[in-house]
Amino acid sequence: GAVVSQHPSRVICKSGTSVKIECRSLDFQATTMFWYRQFPKQSLMLMATSNEGSKATYEQGVEKDKFLINHASLTLSTLTVTSAHPEDSSFYICSAFRGNTIYFGEGSWLTVV
Amino acid sequence: AQKVTQAQTEISVVEKEDVTLDCVYETRDTTYYLFWYKQPPSGELVFLIRRNSFDEQNEISGRYSWNFQKSTSSFNFTITASQVVDSAVYFCALSMEYGNKLVFGAGTILRVKS
Repeated sequence: GAVVSQHPSRVICKSGTSVKIECRSLDFQATTMFWYRQFPKQSLMLMATSNEGSKATYEQGVEKDKFLINHASLTLSTLTVTSAHPEDSSFYICSAFRGNTIYFGEGSWLTVV
Repeated sequence: AQKVTQAQTEISVVEKEDVTLDCVYETRDTTYYLFWYKQPPSGELVFLIRRNSFDEQNEISGRYSWNFQKSTSSFNFTITASQVVDSAVYFCALSMEYGNKLVFGAGTILRVKS
């Protein structure tokens, strides 16, 4: 079964609105989670590292004020895309480390219209 | 800087053929971890294998096998007797620390035709 779960799997939002994506570790605690973005037919690029109880670490070129990350508990990290625009339409996927493996969530398809 | 190169953008084979997906990596670190993931059309990433830099043993898991060669900085993936269900995008990835962030290659689209 799933080890890391994301919600929603698909979301459509209007340009200018904000949308929140959740990433949960199931049955284990994850002090660190990672958020990646994948544009169509492209590879996955790390956006930020989410740290429980502290500020996220963003990769170069990722706007921290636009992509808000909150890791308020040991099992939940959220990514909020604020003032979304069509160019933010992408596949967002999170990951967490458990045991000997890095597990990924199912991913969330965001379409901004 | 770390980099992963998957030179094959797309590969098409006929069912039951063997296919090898290439992966070449760059890193200055002596300790690192290499991964392969499968991404079907639904999008989720399916973990296939992890290898650390100190373990150069090749591995076989059913129809899958991996060839890790530090001398050429390569970590190639072979599917024997391919099946239609193997059709997916395959990513090779590199990590500097255990459980840390991954640097992905561009991915290789594998199409297996019946």
